[in-house]
Amino acid sequence: GAVVSQHPSWVICKSGTSVKIECRSLDFQATTMFWYRQFPKQSLMLMATSNEGSKATYEQGVEKDKFLINHASLTLSTLTVTSAHPEDSSFYICSAKTGWLAKNIQYFGAGTRLSVL
Amino acid sequence: AQSVSQHNHHVILSEAASLELGCNYSYGGTVNLFWYVQYPGQHLQLLLKYFSGDPLVKGIKGFEAEFIKSKFSFNLRKPSVQWSDTAEYFCAAPQTTDSWGKLQFGAGTQVVVTP
Repeated sequence: GAVVSQHPSWVICKSGTSVKIECRSLDFQATTMFWYRQFPKQSLMLMATSNEGSKATYEQGVEKDKFLINHASLTLSTLTVTSAHPEDSSFYICSAKTGWLAKNIQYFGAGTRLSVL
Repeated sequence: AQSVSQHNHHVILSEAASLELGCNYSYGGTVNLFWYVQYPGQHLQLLLKYFSGDPLVKGIKGFEAEFIKSKFSFNLRKPSVQWSDTAEYFCAAPQTTDSWGKLQFGAGTQVVVTP
């Protein structure tokens, strides 16, 4: 099946610094990638939708200036958490889909655990 | 917009017991429905999906789900669980018919299978 690689799997940073998370589709071209946030024992919350070559679309309540998303190629999307604070500590998950023929099937990365001290 | 509700947040059962997890969705148009599983420490994996046709869908690892349009339900079942089925299970559906790709997830059900 399709593989999505997410890196790093765990990052610890100081408050005020920025962290970049990468999401790569390894064996397919991802026209659309999604970024989710998952709080402990809760469901996935969609943060933004990223289409290759265009600006990301953010869900209501998600600060676009804090969570910068870049989808520069059909195999790579990045999420940068800028000026991270302890409340940004969470589990961030990306997913990718190949196109309209994929009929909404998303392939998920393993997630990145962000801890902000 | 779509809402997806899962009836049980936490299920504990013994090996060989039967499992049924409830899922209801709210949007009544043409729907695609999914069950994803997240094993401890691993990424979400697609268990099964429904797009159209036979409402009884078979997935991986012996799981199946039944789409009942009149009840807006898509319940997941497995006749006999194993310890390795311990995981969190998420039901999902597209947010709206034109939200192509955006999924609404249920809150998840933590399933613990005891030996």
